[in-house]
Amino acid sequence: AQKITQTQPGMFVQEKEAVTLDCTYDTSDPSYGLFWYKQPSSGEMIFLIYQGSYDQQNATEGRYSLNFQKARKSANLVISASQLGDSAMYFCAMRVYSSASKIIFGSGTRLSIRP
Amino acid sequence: DTAVSQTPKYLVTQMGNDKSIKCEQNLGHDTMYWYKQDSKKFLKIMFSYNNKELIINETVPNRFSPKSPDKAHLNLHINSLELGDSAVYFCASSQGQGIGELFFGEGSRLTVL
Repeated sequence: AQKITQTQPGMFVQEKEAVTLDCTYDTSDPSYGLFWYKQPSSGEMIFLIYQGSYDQQNATEGRYSLNFQKARKSANLVISASQLGDSAMYFCAMRVYSSASKIIFGSGTRLSIRP
Repeated sequence: DTAVSQTPKYLVTQMGNDKSIKCEQNLGHDTMYWYKQDSKKFLKIMFSYNNKELIINETVPNRFSPKSPDKAHLNLHINSLELGDSAVYFCASSQGQGIGELFFGEGSRLTVL
């Protein structure tokens, strides 16, 4: 069965520091995609970054990068130079293409940035 | 111009009532979804439609009935509401089945008293 695990329920980080949010996944399917979403306190879900299982390079989008380690089945999100506005819930998600392409989510990590 | 819009944003109702949430997307996407986010923030997929056809039904009680009149709309009707139905319900869309990221609506917060 497919599963996404986020082991850090909450994290505190000093402003301007880099932060890594952990995500591990479990699937036996060779074809899958990994996503990160941000949910601020206002409640909307914001797409941040995507990594395909066959992508050779780690995905980057501005201050966000995805540290994809396929053998370890991990897809950690790295936020560089954190800002106060980065305080939010962060969700890792996976799409498995053989499973009606549904996207399943991890339990989330609440990130708080200290000024 | 909102890409995925849901109405209403808030619903407060009594146990046993029936309620509906409407969702519309103007992105031209083929696939739409309903997700439920519980009080612990856990997001669980409920349904998915691709071009008006139901493709995912995640063992949701049959009190929940989705309807997709066209590929731009996906509504959710809930009969005989229970306390445990209290949650935030998110509508989302993607370019196609297995294609692209999810674009979410703002969510509809349902409170059952």
